[in-house]
Amino acid sequence: EPEVTQTPSHQVTQMGQEVILRCVPISNHLYFYWYRQILGQKVEFLVSFYNNEISEKSEIFDDQFSVERPDGSNFTLKIRSTKLEDSAMYFCASSDGFQNYEQYFGPGTRLTVT
Amino acid sequence: GEDVEQSLFLSVREGDSSVINCTYTDSSSTYLYWYKQEPGAGLQLLTYIFSNMDMKQDQRLTVLLNKKDKHLSLRIADTQTGDSAIYFCAETYTGGFKTIFGAGTRLFVKA
Repeated sequence: EPEVTQTPSHQVTQMGQEVILRCVPISNHLYFYWYRQILGQKVEFLVSFYNNEISEKSEIFDDQFSVERPDGSNFTLKIRSTKLEDSAMYFCASSDGFQNYEQYFGPGTRLTVT
Repeated sequence: GEDVEQSLFLSVREGDSSVINCTYTDSSSTYLYWYKQEPGAGLQLLTYIFSNMDMKQDQRLTVLLNKKDKHLSLRIADTQTGDSAIYFCAETYTGGFKTIFGAGTRLFVKA
């Protein structure tokens, strides 16, 4: 069964450093998403991406964040200058856009900012 | 604004039915979902319901939607220890693609 994959599974970085979280969505999907879950809290929407541009973003997704689809398979989330409060589990998801009832989630990347 | 509320904990005995409740605020919701998250794992879509439906049954899972009260419930029949997990209620709304999640209900199943 096709699945969304994410790398790395755990990333530790120092405050102020840039990180790039990587995702490989399901191959025929057209819509891509990033969510985050701070430990013990809600899963929060960050951004959705379609046709090489952001289609929707939340207030969390400020200028420190950016997304990119650098090639036909990867979808990345970059955090330019990490803060302690960026420590969270980051989930990538994708959907085919036509049967949009299901977003397939990856296993997540745990980001720890020290 | 959009908000989804759930109770935080539910404990049941193995073999009993579990009912997890959720309320939402966005009346323009299109899809309502139940996701399951096991420890250290990602989010698994269990089932969904369109906002023009009242009920959906899928094997041991029954979803009930009360649009008037903006109340969604998930019933798990014959709950097993393997059902122990966090269950998230979520919604998307007309015209948008983001999904709004509740805080999750932690289900404990006692043998």
